[in-house]
Amino acid sequence: DTGVSQDPRHKITKRGQNVTFRCDPISEHNRLYWYRQTLGQGPEFLTYFQNEAQLEKSRLLSDRFSAERPKGSFSTLEIQRTEQGDSAMYLCASSLGSGSPATQYFGPGTRLTVL
Amino acid sequence: AQSVTQLDSQVPVFEEAPVELRCNYSSSVSVYLFWYVQYPNQGLQLLLKYLSGSTLVKGINGFEAEFNKSQTSFHLRKPSVHISDTAEYFCAVSFNTGNQFYFGTGTSLTVIP
Repeated sequence: DTGVSQDPRHKITKRGQNVTFRCDPISEHNRLYWYRQTLGQGPEFLTYFQNEAQLEKSRLLSDRFSAERPKGSFSTLEIQRTEQGDSAMYLCASSLGSGSPATQYFGPGTRLTVL
Repeated sequence: AQSVTQLDSQVPVFEEAPVELRCNYSSSVSVYLFWYVQYPNQGLQLLLKYLSGSTLVKGINGFEAEFNKSQTSFHLRKPSVHISDTAEYFCAVSFNTGNQFYFGTGTSLTVIP
């Protein structure tokens, strides 16, 4: 029984570079979420997919951020022209369901440091 | 506006003592409530949840929480803590049937031997 996995676990990049993170949800989970967590804060919602459709996006998700889930399985989160303010832990979660809020299972996160 | 507040950022407690971690929310619509725990260098793990029914819910590792609608609270309790309970605890709320979770800022529980 594998949980949610994320790759890479750590990423250090220079300001202005593009980065891409990958999330593999629990198999057969139809919902996938991206959150961002900064030091001393709780996770903040970024976006949500049901199967391959991106159904919700937070206002936190600027034009430099894009997320995809092309086949309804794994997802990628890309940040273009990174800024120092993008430094954070990026969390992925998945769940199974269609009605009332289902339990979200979280991955270990990708820690991004922008120099 | 809808929000989640964890009133205590840090809670030190001696081993085998009881503990209560507080969570309050602000909402004019139905809520669904969760507590997650985050151990160092690990992902968030669900402790317990309230969706409907009995307002007292029991979770893993001996934790329980009570939903109090009149006080808009969902405090987490454990009667006797262990060293292994040292971790960050997050309260999360989902409003109506919305899919996104709103998290509090977390409470760092430190169990002192």
